[in-house]
Formats: sequence, structure tokens, C-alpha cells
Amino acid sequence: QQQVKQSPQSLIVQKGGIPIINCAYENTAFDYFPWYQQFPGKGPALLIAIRPDVSEKKEGRFTISFNKSAKQFSLHIMDSQPGDSATYFCAASRMKGGSEKLVFGKGTKLTVNP
Amino acid sequence: NAGVMQNPRHLVRRRGQEARLRCSPMKGHSHVYWYRQLPEEGLKFMVYLQKENIIDESGMPKERFSAEFPKEGPSILRIQQVVRGDSAAYFCASSPRVPGAGELFFGEGSRLTVL
Repeated sequence: QQQVKQSPQSLIVQKGGIPIINCAYENTAFDYFPWYQQFPGKGPALLIAIRPDVSEKKEGRFTISFNKSAKQFSLHIMDSQPGDSATYFCAASRMKGGSEKLVFGKGTKLTVNP
Repeated sequence: NAGVMQNPRHLVRRRGQEARLRCSPMKGHSHVYWYRQLPEEGLKFMVYLQKENIIDESGMPKERFSAEFPKEGPSILRIQQVVRGDSAAYFCASSPRVPGAGELFFGEGSRLTVL
């Protein structure tokens, strides 16, 4: 059972473009939604995160949009650069109770061409 | 570098051997998570530990896999009698407290290859 579905699997944009990565979740108990960035041979690094009490969060060129009723959230990268080329993972967790483990999507490999 | 340290970074084992992966969390962190990443897949939760306690092992295979986080020393993920399907990248993450902030800091992973 895949609790967090991520799309697309891969994405190619030109420099300056705005790639959008989408995720959908099933468990309404999830209350924390981070995005991680992973470069080849490296571990995932937290990029930005949102909680369901807000619909949008922006940090620099990265924006998360959150739609609680649709159980969907997305990552937008403004003015994308070749250095943004990486694999992006969305995730979800339940912060209250339990072990608060993260459930990850399968990832989106982003390529930003110069 | 005060980040999460994992070793070895690469490990090759033959079928039937044992693999031991070590993780030293960030300074001041007492919560450790282990995740497994198969090629072209996301990370799958395996186990969550605090010092000397296993809190959640719901993602651990029932056999051959074990984890510990002793009072002193690193957390260890142990895989006995490895099989080819165990080939993957194993990531450790640490957190400073029960993750109310939700932020996990990941190491660079240990890549296990089973021949």
C-alpha cells in the first residue's frame, strides 16, 4: 500500500522554468508534509515543509501548495537553475503519537537544462 | 562536520554473510531512524530507536534484520545471512527530540551490494 503517491517520475525543464511536482496522500492523520532534495550519492536533505493549517509556504525559490480537502500538496521551484537538478521526494508523517516516521513518495528526478 | 555519520559508505558481501552498518547521530541527537532505499524507489522506514530502546520496528523484516542503539556508541543495523534482495542504500537519520518539528537529518548512506 503506497500511502504517498508522487508524480511525475521525471521532469525536464529549461533554466528559468517552473517545475511542479505533485503528491497525494491517503491517511488523513498525516499532519506534517516535508520535501527532501537528494543529489546522487548523497543523503536526502530537508528542503521545505508545511503543516495542514496553511495553504502555502514559500522559502526562497521553493513554494509548497497544500490542498487539505483534496489531500494533495505540490512543490514549485521558481526560476529553476541547473544546480536544482536532483531527485525530489515528498513525504508525510503523523506528528502526534506514534513514532512519527516519515512515509516517502517514490521521487521525481528533475533535470534543469542550461 | 557535526552531521550524521554513517559507515561504511560502501559494503560488499556474499550471500549468507553478515552486514553491519553503523550510524553516529548528530551531536545532541538521541533519536535515530533507519530507512532503506531500493534503486528508483523512495525511502522505506525500517526502525526508530532511542538510546537503548527500540520504539518502532514496524518496517523491519521479521527475520535476519536487527537494530540497536546502545547507551554508548553508534546505532547498528545488522543483517544476517544476506541475500541479493538486501542490496540497497541504507540511510540513517537523527532527530534531537521526539520530532515535534518533524525534521530528520540524514546521513549519506551505506550502500550494500550482495554478490
